[in-house]
Amino acid sequence: GEDVEQSLFLSVREGDSSVINCTYTDSSSTYLYWYKQEPGAGLQLLTYIFSNMDMKQDQRLTVLLNKKDKHLSLRIADTQTGDSAIYFCAEYRLTGGGNKLTFGTGTQLKVEL
Amino acid sequence: GAGVSQSPSNKVTEKGKDVELRCDPISGHTALYWYRQSLGQGLEFLIYFQGNSAPDKSGLPSDRFSAERTGGSVSTLTIQRTQQEDSAVYLCASSYRQQETQYFGPGTRLLVL
Repeated sequence: GEDVEQSLFLSVREGDSSVINCTYTDSSSTYLYWYKQEPGAGLQLLTYIFSNMDMKQDQRLTVLLNKKDKHLSLRIADTQTGDSAIYFCAEYRLTGGGNKLTFGTGTQLKVEL
Repeated sequence: GAGVSQSPSNKVTEKGKDVELRCDPISGHTALYWYRQSLGQGLEFLIYFQGNSAPDKSGLPSDRFSAERTGGSVSTLTIQRTQQEDSAVYLCASSYRQQETQYFGPGTRLLVL
């Protein structure tokens, strides 16, 4: 189908790791992105991965890509209360005239003390 | 440098009125994108500009929606005869070139009464 799917909610304790999962649809997607959205704010780019990679690490963030299963995950190590937000995965798709990002539904991460 | 800026940050209007939303992309970015974020539809692509031309208008929901970009910089999204279902957050993004990472502005929150 056309949809990029994510689970809607995730709750973790401060200090634990969080893993947010995403299933995308277009096997020809070249880039896959993770964006963070805090309440009342726009989208903040967290990280991205090129489709010929299977892992990317950036400080507390680890992105894993399983291209065969079209599965993307974001792991946040040592999760903090400031990580509470909605996390969107997005796949970059070429359209007939250009390009666009297709977003997942977003996963709301709640970090509890 | 400065990020993507959007104005107004909030807009309340009456059903049937026209509204204009403005986006200032990051200086030097040639590609500009409009997305809409609403409760029922999630994040949807609206339109994409490369320079001043819009090769992909596929996401515009109706002919009440139009957008233009002048001087390869500022873009305006116009909604005519607004309806209550137009209430959403309208997000603008820009990228240095097509197919490169998109950076988002804070959005304009539109409420149609």
